[in-house]
Amino acid sequence: QQQVKQSPQSLIVQKGGISIINCAYENTAFDYFPWYQQFPGKGPALLIAIRPDVSEKKEGRFTISFNKSAKQFSLHIMDSQPGDSATYFCAASKETSGSRLTFGEGTQLTVNP
Amino acid sequence: NAGVTQTPKFQVLKTGQSMTLQCAQDMNHEYMSWYRQDPGMGLRLIHYSVGAGITDQGEVPNGYNVSRSTTEDFPLRLLSAAPSQTSVYFCATKRGRYYNEQFFGPGTRLTVL
Repeated sequence: QQQVKQSPQSLIVQKGGISIINCAYENTAFDYFPWYQQFPGKGPALLIAIRPDVSEKKEGRFTISFNKSAKQFSLHIMDSQPGDSATYFCAASKETSGSRLTFGEGTQLTVNP
Repeated sequence: NAGVTQTPKFQVLKTGQSMTLQCAQDMNHEYMSWYRQDPGMGLRLIHYSVGAGITDQGEVPNGYNVSRSTTEDFPLRLLSAAPSQTSVYFCATKRGRYYNEQFFGPGTRLTVL
């Protein structure tokens, strides 16, 4: 039973386009929602994170939108670049400390030049 | 600083063999954890430790043992390997209770025949 569901499984975007990855969760006890970026052969690295008391957080070209009532959150990558090609994971934690992460299935993003 | 190191990078085992996956960190982080990554399932938490001498189970602990005798090291033991344990294993660390970001190692790819 996947507590955090992520879609799409794969995504192809043209350079300069907007990439959108969606996640939905069931457990209302989740209190911390990070996104991780993983390049082939590497471990995941934190990209951006949000708490449920805000509806949006932006860092450069990356934005998280959060809808608490719908129990959904999404990652938007503006002006997508070939260097953004990677696998993206959403995650959630019941602890404000961000420990014990529950991950989504992952989205493989390809940005074509 | 080397950050989080994992050894070996690759390992092939036969069913029933035992082995230890090593994880070491030089950041003096209190929190360490082990995840396994399987296609289409994201990362799942196996075991974690909030400090030396303290360990606890995650989402998928069966078939794995851990111990934390020092702050720096958090080995993961497979007592009797099974094909279902074929996976990529990641060690992650976090500075402490009041810090959110988890830092992942480069991973160990394990195949059990």
